[in-house]
Amino acid sequence: SAVISQKPSRDICQRGTSLTIQCQVDSQVTMMFWYRQQPGQSLTLIATANQGSEATYESGFVIDKFPISRPNLTFSTLTVSNMSPEDSSIYLCSVEAGGDGYTFGSGTRLTVV
Amino acid sequence: AQSVAQPEDQVNVAEGNPLTVKCTYSVSGNPYLFWYVQYPNRGLQFLLKYITGDNLVKGSYGFEAEFNKSQTSFHLKKPSALVSDSALYFCAVREYTNAGKSTFGDGTTLTVKP
Repeated sequence: SAVISQKPSRDICQRGTSLTIQCQVDSQVTMMFWYRQQPGQSLTLIATANQGSEATYESGFVIDKFPISRPNLTFSTLTVSNMSPEDSSIYLCSVEAGGDGYTFGSGTRLTVV
Repeated sequence: AQSVAQPEDQVNVAEGNPLTVKCTYSVSGNPYLFWYVQYPNRGLQFLLKYITGDNLVKGSYGFEAEFNKSQTSFHLKKPSALVSDSALYFCAVREYTNAGKSTFGDGTTLTVKP
């Protein structure tokens, strides 16, 4: 299965600033997924990132707030823009190989103060 | 639309006893079903999956899950629980045509007491 390197692992940010999260996969994958997880709660899909096209956002998430880049088949970034305390969460990237389950990055624990 | 329900927020069992973590699902087509585990302060890990074939699926760490199409369930089981199994467990489902877009349950916290 794929191995994902995600960074930063955690950050404390001032409100109004932006944070970019990076995910590097050790193999080429078509789709990468970005999730948000409140501590101890379920995962909510933010968007699907395909290489060479615009990301597809889920209801409640917009590109201006969560811009995503996917420059090649092994790398993606998610930016959390103009942050507020409500954005404090764990952000996860993941990939899926065919019908297999997801492989997740280790997560980025974001605290906005 | 696809959805998954984990009816129990918390499951408590004694070490050495069997455990069951429940999951029911809803999809309009054939389901792909998954279980994931999240240990404290660690990332999500894939446990097992059902795609097709035998209804009893075996996965990592001695876990297994039984697919029941008539009851639309995919309960996670283990014959003998360990204290180290204590974690947060997520069930997930997607339609086989809905590439990559899994829906996760709300999670069940399993606590195994010595």
